[in-house]
Amino acid sequence: ETGVTQSPTHLIKTRGQQVTLRCSSQSGHNTVSWYQQALGQGPQFIFQYYREEENGRGNFPPRFSGLQFPNYSSELNVNALELDDSALYLCASSGRRAGSYEQYFGPGTRLTVT
Amino acid sequence: GIQVEQSPPDLILQEGANSTLRCNFSDSVNNLQWFHQNPWGQLINLFYIPSGTKQNGRLSATTVATERYSLLYISSSQTTDSGVYFCAVPTAGGGADGLTFGKGTHLIIQP
Repeated sequence: ETGVTQSPTHLIKTRGQQVTLRCSSQSGHNTVSWYQQALGQGPQFIFQYYREEENGRGNFPPRFSGLQFPNYSSELNVNALELDDSALYLCASSGRRAGSYEQYFGPGTRLTVT
Repeated sequence: GIQVEQSPPDLILQEGANSTLRCNFSDSVNNLQWFHQNPWGQLINLFYIPSGTKQNGRLSATTVATERYSLLYISSSQTTDSGVYFCAVPTAGGGADGLTFGKGTHLIIQP
């Protein structure tokens, strides 16, 4: 158990729809990163939030957006869903303490787009 | 951006065998993580190892940052060690960045 939770665990959406995924960070952590993992691949970095501001972004289009709240929980929003968005979405929290930036992952949300 | 290569891509061993997984990265980094992904998709932290050697039970890891590689050693393998092993480094080399992952090593331990 990492203390990072995600909801929902599974989701089925139709192409063109919008989806919101949620992540609660580990207690004491102020940074949340989101990743997309397609079947058979390693996770790919989407973006990172630190103190409610976006703090780095991977190679994903603007229809992937996010928020971080004052309690450091976070949302990932995806608009205009495409079939290729079907994947496992992982969030990770980290605390930036004592020189350690170790990231801890939640169990993921499995998104299927039909 | 930084590139991460893992080898071998697949490894099949008998229970009790030892194995070495390798991770090469293309640029200087100041931290590196090893993970084990279980069949349900959960990424389990194994090591946070910017440099040097760490041990945790049957697992150990060594990172040689100056030569841009890390090794994960698994001794006396058990069937529960099966799964995918990933290494990951900060995307822009810095400590607080998002991570760039390798494609993983798929390990199967047969009884």
